[in-house]
Amino acid sequence: GQNIDQPTEMTATEGAIVQINCTYQTSGFNGLFWYQQHAGEAPTFLSYNVLDGLEEKGRFSSFLSRSKGYSYLLLKELQMKDSASYLCAVPQTGANNLFFGTGTRLTVIP
Amino acid sequence: DADVTQTPRNRITKTGKRIMLECSQTKGHDRMYWYRQDPGLGLRLIYYSFDVKDINKGEISDGYSVSRQAQAKFSLSLESAIPNQTALYFCATSDLGQGEGNEQFFGPGTRLTVL
Repeated sequence: GQNIDQPTEMTATEGAIVQINCTYQTSGFNGLFWYQQHAGEAPTFLSYNVLDGLEEKGRFSSFLSRSKGYSYLLLKELQMKDSASYLCAVPQTGANNLFFGTGTRLTVIP
Repeated sequence: DADVTQTPRNRITKTGKRIMLECSQTKGHDRMYWYRQDPGLGLRLIYYSFDVKDINKGEISDGYSVSRQAQAKFSLSLESAIPNQTALYFCATSDLGQGEGNEQFFGPGTRLTVL
């Protein structure tokens, strides 16, 4: 089976950098996803990592270490609109479904 | 127009009533999913379908049924709604051929309240 652990809540200041961690357990690793979800809205895709290392996409970067079962999402130059939940997800073993963590609710303060 | 649409967006119903939530997509994806989201529990998979002739149970299928009427349409039914089915329901689609692994595209959600 799968298991994902993320912090429940985080707070950071506008303009700062924040790192949201995700640890996972899964058999047959096949990539890790990060989604962003604003309150009451649909999740939207942010990143996908299948190899170790850092993937950068503008202000957002995602890191993966397969040997440690660990990923993080790095958000730079925080903006108020970055206040949202960030969901870590891994594919279900042997299937094309995603298993989601409970998400980290990030609040950006002025 | 949105690629994945859900109707209704909000619904209040009573215990014991039959409810159908509908999902349509214009992305041309074969794979469709139904999730529910509850505070503190995250997104949990109810049912999924890999094509029109394929239906699979997810993590929490009890009390739900689905119908894949066409490639573009996937409906979720609650045969006899109960209060603990009050939740936010999301439909999603994916195409395994995409370069970004099996990225899923979500509809806007249906907020269901069962009294």
